[in-house]
Amino acid sequence: QVQLQESGPGLVKPSGTLSLTCAVSGGSISSSNWWSWVRQPPGKGLEWIGEIYHSGSTNYNPSLKSRVTISVDKSKNQFSLKLSSVTAADTAVYYCARVNGVNGHYMDVWGKGTTVTVSS
Amino acid sequence: EIVLTQSPATLSLSPGERATLSCRASQSVSSYLAWYQQKPGQAPRLLIYDASNRATGIPARFSGSGSGTDFTLTISSLEPEDFAVYYCQQRSNWGYTFGQGTKLEIK
Repeated sequence: QVQLQESGPGLVKPSGTLSLTCAVSGGSISSSNWWSWVRQPPGKGLEWIGEIYHSGSTNYNPSLKSRVTISVDKSKNQFSLKLSSVTAADTAVYYCARVNGVNGHYMDVWGKGTTVTVSS
Repeated sequence: EIVLTQSPATLSLSPGERATLSCRASQSVSSYLAWYQQKPGQAPRLLIYDASNRATGIPARFSGSGSGTDFTLTISSLEPEDFAVYYCQQRSNWGYTFGQGTKLEIK
């Protein structure tokens, strides 16, 4: 079955750019699904960051839109997240997830998550 | 933005008891509501989608109901492994939002 694996630096300096990749295995990123990023600050709830379709179409959380870029690399079967101008408030566990279907409303497959700390 | 409000924040029950968790939306989400379970150090796990459909492999003791703005997740008889945090989630034109979570703890 489809599995997702996040990777990227665990430590990012304030004002820098957070960059993460989600590798998709057991299935194709070009399937009829959207692919999302979700984060969870320590001890807090879940926040949706944005999503991408294999065509390159994207949707972003309005509160993060000015700082977020999500891209897809079909040749590597992966998608990526860039979050610019980070502060300590961006410290969180970052998850990638599959949205079920083209018109999906829920996330049925999740990566294990990767912790990113913003600190000098 | 559609806000999801979960109640209670914490629910203390014993194994074998019935758990009822609530999620209220600030405006109608039709039946497009999902429930997730999250255990410490783990990713969220999809339990229920479209308000009342169990995800693959989810035990029958989990059930969801509701439509419009009021939704309920019911666990009919708690097993030790059910003690966790539960989140509801919706999708609208503005994107996805999650409730703040209900922590189900052992009494």
